[in-house]
Amino acid sequence: DIQMTQSPSSLSASVGDRVTITCQASQHIGNSLNWYQQKPGKAPKLLISDASNLEIGVPSTFSGGGSGTHFTFTISSLQADDFATYFCQQYDNLPLTFGAGTKIES
Amino acid sequence: QGRLEQWGAGLLKPSETLSLTCAVDGESFSGFYWSWLRQSPGKGLEWIGDITHLGSTDYNPSLKSRVIISLDTSKSQFSLRLTSLTAADTGVYYCARGRMQFYYWGQGTQVTVSS
Repeated sequence: DIQMTQSPSSLSASVGDRVTITCQASQHIGNSLNWYQQKPGKAPKLLISDASNLEIGVPSTFSGGGSGTHFTFTISSLQADDFATYFCQQYDNLPLTFGAGTKIES
Repeated sequence: QGRLEQWGAGLLKPSETLSLTCAVDGESFSGFYWSWLRQSPGKGLEWIGDITHLGSTDYNPSLKSRVIISLDTSKSQFSLRLTSLTAADTGVYYCARGRMQFYYWGQGTQVTVSS
């Protein structure tokens, strides 16, 4: 299985802050990586696919980058609605695997 | 837009079998993968497996011996059966559309395995 190491596991931030999360794959996965946002009691929501492709309707304050084994997810200016948990997911190989998540708290 | 609604028993005893069903509404069943995932504090998000509209399945090797995913195309439904439950199977179970990307999700079902 491909292991996805996501860091940090949690971070404290304020509205307006720039926030960056990283995800490291245990082997090369090209750009086969997605980022999801999850709020308590809800299913995850797809934000970014193919490492850097912003999904329709997702604010441009979100961005993704990287390829191979190292990936980043950035919120350029944190908004009140962005306090949530974020996950990376690889789809290069089965079984599909997820990072452990990063919880953004105030 | 597609909507997924799932249901099934949420409180089970060790060694019992979990059965969940997911209905697809407002979306073509054809041409997509239909997946089951689960989430627990201990293991995070875990892909259980998926099925195509033609009935071809793939499973997570860690669960393969205990999982069956099936579909009923006439009802636009797909189902999950997970046998020989233990406490480690406790978590929230989701159905979802897709394999590479999960765009649409069910509302989630809390499954608790306890004697």
